[in-house]
Amino acid sequence: AQSVTQLGSHVSVSEGALVLLRCNYSSSVPPYLFWYVQYPNQGLQLLLKYTSAATLVKGINGFEAEFKKSETSFHLTKPSAHMSDAAEYFCAVSHATSGTYKYIFGTGTRLKVLA
Amino acid sequence: KAGVTQTPRYLIKTRGQQVTLSCSPISGHRSVSWYQQTPGQGLQFLFEYFSETQRNKGNFPGRFSGRQFSNSRSEMNVSTLELGDSALYLCASSPGLAGNNEQFFGPGTRLTVL
Repeated sequence: AQSVTQLGSHVSVSEGALVLLRCNYSSSVPPYLFWYVQYPNQGLQLLLKYTSAATLVKGINGFEAEFKKSETSFHLTKPSAHMSDAAEYFCAVSHATSGTYKYIFGTGTRLKVLA
Repeated sequence: KAGVTQTPRYLIKTRGQQVTLSCSPISGHRSVSWYQQTPGQGLQFLFEYFSETQRNKGNFPGRFSGRQFSNSRSEMNVSTLELGDSALYLCASSPGLAGNNEQFFGPGTRLTVL
């Protein structure tokens, strides 16, 4: 069965510092991997997705993630945090099994950016 | 293009009642998925509809049901409400089946069960 683990339910960084949000997955077949962001009182918005074309995926707002099969990881990074990055971030995995599939979301990491 | 819209945005019900939530996907999108979001359980998949057919279902009791209309609009129904059904219900649409596509989320309906 597939699953997603996000390490750290809360992460705090200073403005201008590196952002690193961790995501590990388990999947018996090559998965699709996604990162979504949720701002207060809003739905989720896609940041980036991995679909096996390239291991380093660039997304919106300066975020990127690297797919590492050997580590079953898909960590999200941004070189320099901005106050507007404060939000909740969700990693998600999906793969097809017997013609159907389901999105599985991680439990989320709330990012706080300190001035 | 207009985004995904959900109505109502807020709802208060009492135990035992039933509720219907509505979702209008982005124009041209044929897939609509529903999720329940709670602080304790996170985002949990309820079901996905594509071209009026349920294509996928999560692990929720039969009190949770849905349907999709020919214009791709979807409704979700919860019968015999329980306190634990209090949550943010999110709807997401995709141009194709959700599994390998980006999902576009609505703002959600916050349901409170008293």
